[in-house]
Amino acid sequence: DAGVIQSPRHEVTEMGQEVTLRCKPISGHDYLFWYRQTMMRGLELLIYFNNNVPIDDSGMPEDRFSAKMPNASFSTLKIQPSEPRDSAVYFCASRLTGTPYEQYFGPGTRLTVT
Amino acid sequence: RKEVEQDPGPFNVPEGATVAFNCTYSNSASQSFFWYRQDCRKEPKLLMSVYSSGNEDGRFTAQLNRASQYISLLIRDSKLSDSATYLCAVNMKGNFNKFYFGSGTKLNVKP
Repeated sequence: DAGVIQSPRHEVTEMGQEVTLRCKPISGHDYLFWYRQTMMRGLELLIYFNNNVPIDDSGMPEDRFSAKMPNASFSTLKIQPSEPRDSAVYFCASRLTGTPYEQYFGPGTRLTVT
Repeated sequence: RKEVEQDPGPFNVPEGATVAFNCTYSNSASQSFFWYRQDCRKEPKLLMSVYSSGNEDGRFTAQLNRASQYISLLIRDSKLSDSATYLCAVNMKGNFNKFYFGSGTKLNVKP
């Protein structure tokens, strides 16, 4: 079975540009999580969805960040405008209700903002 | 103060050695505890949950000390393939969706 799929795997962009990261969760999983990992701050939860509805976005750093989940098989994380401090690896993860501790992470998107 | 803190290492050990990492957490309301493994430039993967009574999975033993608010991971008979970064994670009572991760401890097992 396919795992969590993220695209692109690498993104290099200039400051001020819009960046869109994409995620396809494991089929049938009803929870989706967006994380950011940096050397300084480690792995941080940004937002999570349940049945396509955002439940907790308290980790979203600021208004420049937004996330959507238009259907059960697709989510986006958008940064507009991007800044150099947004450079990080962004992971998407999914899980199935009833398996609370088993989150499956995607391979991540490595974002560099110059 | 960070919710979860770990010694970043690296821990450099020879094959066959026993190595242990600790992870401290700041919130006494933390309820569930986990160890994740992350290989270089890869995603984190769940290694094991940490139960109150301690638990073992092959060469790996995890323990929880609530009084001192830390969890530990012991790896016996280290293999080259154990080289990775080990992240601890906790979540709070009432919200098992919100994980707080440590920054990880890097382990290098040398031949």
